[in-house]
Amino acid sequence: NAGVTQTPKFQVLKTGQSMTLQCAQDMNHEYMSWYRQDPGMGLRLIHYSVGAGITDQGEVPNGYNVSRSTTEDFPLRLLSAAPSQTSVYFCASSLDRESYYGYTFGSGTRLTVV
Amino acid sequence: DAKTTQPPSMDCAEGRAANLPCNHSTISGNEYVYWYRQIHSQGPQYIIHGLKNNETNEMASLIITEDRKSSTLILPHATLRDTAVYYCIVRVANRAGNMLTFGGGTRLMVKP
Repeated sequence: NAGVTQTPKFQVLKTGQSMTLQCAQDMNHEYMSWYRQDPGMGLRLIHYSVGAGITDQGEVPNGYNVSRSTTEDFPLRLLSAAPSQTSVYFCASSLDRESYYGYTFGSGTRLTVV
Repeated sequence: DAKTTQPPSMDCAEGRAANLPCNHSTISGNEYVYWYRQIHSQGPQYIIHGLKNNETNEMASLIITEDRKSSTLILPHATLRDTAVYYCIVRVANRAGNMLTFGGGTRLMVKP
């Protein structure tokens, strides 16, 4: 089925470890973004991309890197994991930066940093 | 983006219409009303959006008052699978770089 695929679904890291959260979409969407959702809170934008080769920072970019080498993939890298990065991470995409038809979200990656 | 106010929770009987209200009294002329929902442990799901006219799609209907200060999301025949937290968001389209500000939302419980 078409949509946004995130892997892994669950991950436990030790403080200081690095890892990459994967996000792929097969809808030829130009716009992709990463959010984090902490318990009982809304979504906060980490990084976003308006097309291949173009990325920019969102509200909470520190500690995270992104790249967009293809239209389909938008990986999120944690450089040196900290307990404050324990959260649920969602990848979202839309047809273009001014899409009027809403975002399509992945099912999330639940990350615990110990 | 304008702030929204939603009741924290609502119940609805299965098969009946669920009417979820949202107040957005500070909405600007170029801001749209978007509705998303989040079923437990899943990613948010886009439902519908509108500017000033009422809108309907296969999932729901959106009724926006004439002064645009409030709106109602209608699920015409609620099922158990519609149990979720519903978020009303007011913003200028889905502009790149703007976060989606999900407030508290309304937790809808559909009961058999």
